[in-house]
Amino acid sequence: GIQVEQSPPDLILQEGANSTLRCNFSDSVNNLQWFHQNPWGQLINLFYIPSGTKQNGRLSATTVATERYSLLYISSSQTTDSGVYFCAVANDYKLSFGAGTTVTVRA
Amino acid sequence: EAGVTQFPSHSVIEKGQTVTLRCDPISGHDNLYWYRRVMGKEIKFLLHFVKESKQDESGMPNNRFLAERTGGTYSTLKVQPAELEDSGVYFCASSQIPVNRNEQFFGPGTRLTVL
Repeated sequence: GIQVEQSPPDLILQEGANSTLRCNFSDSVNNLQWFHQNPWGQLINLFYIPSGTKQNGRLSATTVATERYSLLYISSSQTTDSGVYFCAVANDYKLSFGAGTTVTVRA
Repeated sequence: EAGVTQFPSHSVIEKGQTVTLRCDPISGHDNLYWYRRVMGKEIKFLLHFVKESKQDESGMPNNRFLAERTGGTYSTLKVQPAELEDSGVYFCASSQIPVNRNEQFFGPGTRLTVL
């Protein structure tokens, strides 16, 4: 399967700070998704972004498919942004997940 | 539109017992997937249905696991007999066809604890 590496593994932020999460993957993909796992364990879809750039409120994401990486930007972080952020990719239908980045936003 | 739902949210069973997990996909989604996360490891693919047909069950760990999708609607995942290493969170996801726009939507998961 496709190897997915996320960095950093852990991130501690002060409320209001900006941050960048990175996802590297080992093969070409036709699907790349970013998820936020909330404290109740639910995986919330953030972006479907196999290429290009998208923005949704304070979050944005960029995927450079030719260089096999994606970035998730969090701006003006809030305590509700805390949780684990997963990147998942596929070149068919089977998503391969990274280990996640655990984000803690302190008030 | 209702999202993917899973039942139960949490199950605690003894080793050797049987457990059946249920997933209801988003209405109209022909693709249904099972994934699981065990022992703090990465979330791993188990299998994929298109309507009622199993397309790929290469991720199923062994023959103690049986998945069905009767009538191409909801799906069940049965573990019989359960072992300690089966403990973890089982996620179900669904997506529309065509597969080249395969954004998958996940349910809340079922946390399985085998004692």
